[in-house]
Amino acid sequence: NAGVTQTPKFQVLKTGQSMTLQCAQDMNHNSMYWYRQDPGMGLRLIYYSASEGTTDKGEVPNGYNVSRLNKREFSLRLESAAPSQTSVYFCASRKKQLPNTGELFFGEGSRLTVL
Amino acid sequence: GQQLNQSPQSMFIQEGEDVSMNCTSSSIFNTWLWYKQDPGEGPVLLIALYKAGELTSNGRLTAQFGITRKDSFLNISASIPSDVGIYFCAAQRYSGGGADGLTFGKGTHLIIQP
Repeated sequence: NAGVTQTPKFQVLKTGQSMTLQCAQDMNHNSMYWYRQDPGMGLRLIYYSASEGTTDKGEVPNGYNVSRLNKREFSLRLESAAPSQTSVYFCASRKKQLPNTGELFFGEGSRLTVL
Repeated sequence: GQQLNQSPQSMFIQEGEDVSMNCTSSSIFNTWLWYKQDPGEGPVLLIALYKAGELTSNGRLTAQFGITRKDSFLNISASIPSDVGIYFCAAQRYSGGGADGLTFGKGTHLIIQP
């Protein structure tokens, strides 16, 4: 079982370039999430999609856009990358939003460096 | 926003020792979870707690959902080298309306010296 698959795993960008991180899950989960992980900051929610066709901002949405392409896929786009967006990005999914369904399944992460 | 205060930030212990870490908050939550992240990988769920006062074990791991619903702890008994990693607490408040993800603590970095 693949679970949650993210691509690319590594990317180096120059300031101002754009790119899209792709995420797909094969568990038929309803909800999908994008987090970023920075040293000493833990995991911070960027955007989420509670169900196909909906997206909402998380804690740190500025500089990002998302698309829930279908039930399986949830992409994260950086339109004009900035050095502050250097981070490790994790996609995650889970079956239901609420209640008592806290288990998130994470991808392996995408390490992005913006020069 | 909701914040989880996780401590300690890091732990250096000897193999075989017991480990204890905790998370506290000023907010009430309905779900507490503990995740472990190995280097270069995404976090993986260790234990999920859904009721105040609940004490749950998973092998050498034991976690409790605080009775006030504002805290949780994780204990690891007789640590082994593969326990090395970053442990995150996470919590969710059931809002009943708006959808959100989990709030994560900043992590406890566990280092085991042989």
